[in-house]
Amino acid sequence: DVKVTQSSRYLVKRTGEKVFLECVQDMDHENMFWYRQDPGLGLRLIYFSYDVKMKEKGDIPEGYSVSREKKERFSLILESASTNQTSMYLCASSLSVGSSGLYEQYFGPGTRLTVT
Amino acid sequence: GQNIDQPTEMTATEGAIVQINCTYQTSGFNGLFWYQQHAGEAPTFLSYNVLDGLEEKGRFSSFLSRSKGYSYLLLKELQMKDSASYLCAVRDSGNTPLVFGKGTRLSVIA
Repeated sequence: DVKVTQSSRYLVKRTGEKVFLECVQDMDHENMFWYRQDPGLGLRLIYFSYDVKMKEKGDIPEGYSVSREKKERFSLILESASTNQTSMYLCASSLSVGSSGLYEQYFGPGTRLTVT
Repeated sequence: GQNIDQPTEMTATEGAIVQINCTYQTSGFNGLFWYQQHAGEAPTFLSYNVLDGLEEKGRFSSFLSRSKGYSYLLLKELQMKDSASYLCAVRDSGNTPLVFGKGTRLSVIA
């Protein structure tokens, strides 16, 4: 069974704080992704990574950065948290296109972040 | 640009059949995915279509027409536990991330 874990289910931070969200997958997947999910807006891609030390901007990267120092771990960093970053953050992982067969994205349980 | 449309909400009766539609306009196409998401939980994978036609998996089926940019998810013999959001997602090329629609919230009533 693929397992994607996230460091916290619920997090409350103050405006201006630096926030780290951690994601770990145990299936040796090459690809990892960070999305945020908001009512009425659906899942929006923040950043993704195809390999260690690689990162690509998604649709809404402003105010975020990422780090991938190890294959199994992908961190999302909010440099200076703001109230409009209050959201559900979902991490996902998948095999790369080089692998045979279906390569859906597997999601972690999510972190509900509140910035006050 | 990329655009994926699906109805916001649907209601259906326990034991019935419901069809959730999805239309997409993307620059390319390399697969369409359906996910189920219960409130407060992560999305879980349901089905995948890359060729035209119907894919059946138990009570769930998914259909794709690439020429029309159209898919549907068919749920048969609805159960109360099927109350959830259903997300349509498209991969537009190669190894790119999935692009998601906003989801359809399905309520199953007795």
